[in-house]
Amino acid sequence: QSALTQPPSASGSPGQSVTISCTGTSSDVGGYNYVSWYQQHPDNPPKLMIFEVSKRPSGVPDRFSASKSGNTASLTVSGLQAEDEADYYCSSYAASNNYVFGTGTKVTVL
Amino acid sequence: QLQLQESGPGLVKPSETLSLICTVSGGSITVIGYYWGWIRQPPGKGLEWIGNIYYSGRTDYNPSLKSRAAISVDTSKNQFSLNLTSVTAADTAVYYCARLRAGYAGYWGQGTLVTVSS
Repeated sequence: QSALTQPPSASGSPGQSVTISCTGTSSDVGGYNYVSWYQQHPDNPPKLMIFEVSKRPSGVPDRFSASKSGNTASLTVSGLQAEDEADYYCSSYAASNNYVFGTGTKVTVL
Repeated sequence: QLQLQESGPGLVKPSETLSLICTVSGGSITVIGYYWGWIRQPPGKGLEWIGNIYYSGRTDYNPSLKSRAAISVDTSKNQFSLNLTSVTAADTAVYYCARLRAGYAGYWGQGTLVTVSS
């Protein structure tokens, strides 16, 4: 299974929005509504931000939203704040209880 | 609050076996519907799923690592383990244990760096 494709970087000024794409195949992203998104700050474990395509765990701000169309999922961070600067990874279920992660996107708050 | 903690050697020699344990506290490893998995991250690189285990012992592995990885569970100790055989420098990474359900990892350990070097 190949890693899901994300842009290496994305950026925005405070208060702006940034959208990150995550492209897979019909065997992973397109085949299941089990896409999740993680935020990772340096030297910390990933933190779950979105599960099952668009659901937010308790405690995650509603500035984080996500969706999926076909084989591509997207994460949008609205009202960018300094603490949103981090690496973001998507992940998808990929049949037979397998999982695949995205290549990761570094979000910079300008 | 559920907590996971990885433990094991931080240095492994090439061709030897990497062995890690994840201790789960604040909840039972036998909870229905949740899987327990290992994920790794080479320095400066992205995340790679290694495999999962259910409390019953059922396992699933990343096809690229299936021949070298083995995950086991000890319900009496509320722990699960990873063995990765024939390691090379490419296996140097931070290894995370996590609780998974329906395609997502909701709880993660802090991670442990394992370096493969002679």
